[in-house]
Amino acid sequence: AQRVTQPEKLLSVFKGAPVELKCNYSYSGSPELFWYVQYSRQRLQLLLRHISRESIKGFTADLNKGETSFHLKKPFAQEEDSAMYYCALAAHNAGNMLTFGGGTRLMVKP
Amino acid sequence: GAVVSQHPSWVICKSGTSVKIECRSLDFQATTMFWYRQFPKQSLMLMATSNEGSKATYEQGVEKDKFLINHASLTLSTLTVTSAHPEDSSFYICSARDPRVGDNSPLHFGNGTRLTVT
Repeated sequence: AQRVTQPEKLLSVFKGAPVELKCNYSYSGSPELFWYVQYSRQRLQLLLRHISRESIKGFTADLNKGETSFHLKKPFAQEEDSAMYYCALAAHNAGNMLTFGGGTRLMVKP
Repeated sequence: GAVVSQHPSWVICKSGTSVKIECRSLDFQATTMFWYRQFPKQSLMLMATSNEGSKATYEQGVEKDKFLINHASLTLSTLTVTSAHPEDSSFYICSARDPRVGDNSPLHFGNGTRLTVT
């Protein structure tokens, strides 16, 4: 069975500092990975997906199959980045069902 | 830790029938649960917010009579897809927040339900 692990429940950084939210996965097939974000009092929304290889709001994430990781990075954190971040994996051998990590709360201090 | 259980994981039904999906919070009471839907190659979309003891709050474009939500107890919310059609085939996932941890606590997700309507 697939599993997604976000080892940090809380990550606190100062504005302008680099930030990396860790995500590790276990899956026997070829994974499709996502990062979702939930800002305070808002709904969950897609931030980025690995197949798009895009940068959204300054965030990037690279799939590292060797390390089975999909860490989310931003070189200079902003206060508005404070939110809950969820890493998710779509299992193609299970009908693309999503498995979520436990989430990491990012707090960016002024 | 807090766990949300969703059942069934897979369901195949014939067009015109109704399907019920259950979402349970196993070790906490959830006054609010959220139902999401994901179409292939798309992101999750919030369908509705289920409120214990009151009517669910539906997102714009979601048919209330089509997707019946019942949150009869503090640990159970159900989503019934009525008169299902092939276009309802999708991945449905519920989530809830443990109120003991506070409003900013993380969402706990069920494992999701893959619905296929033939």
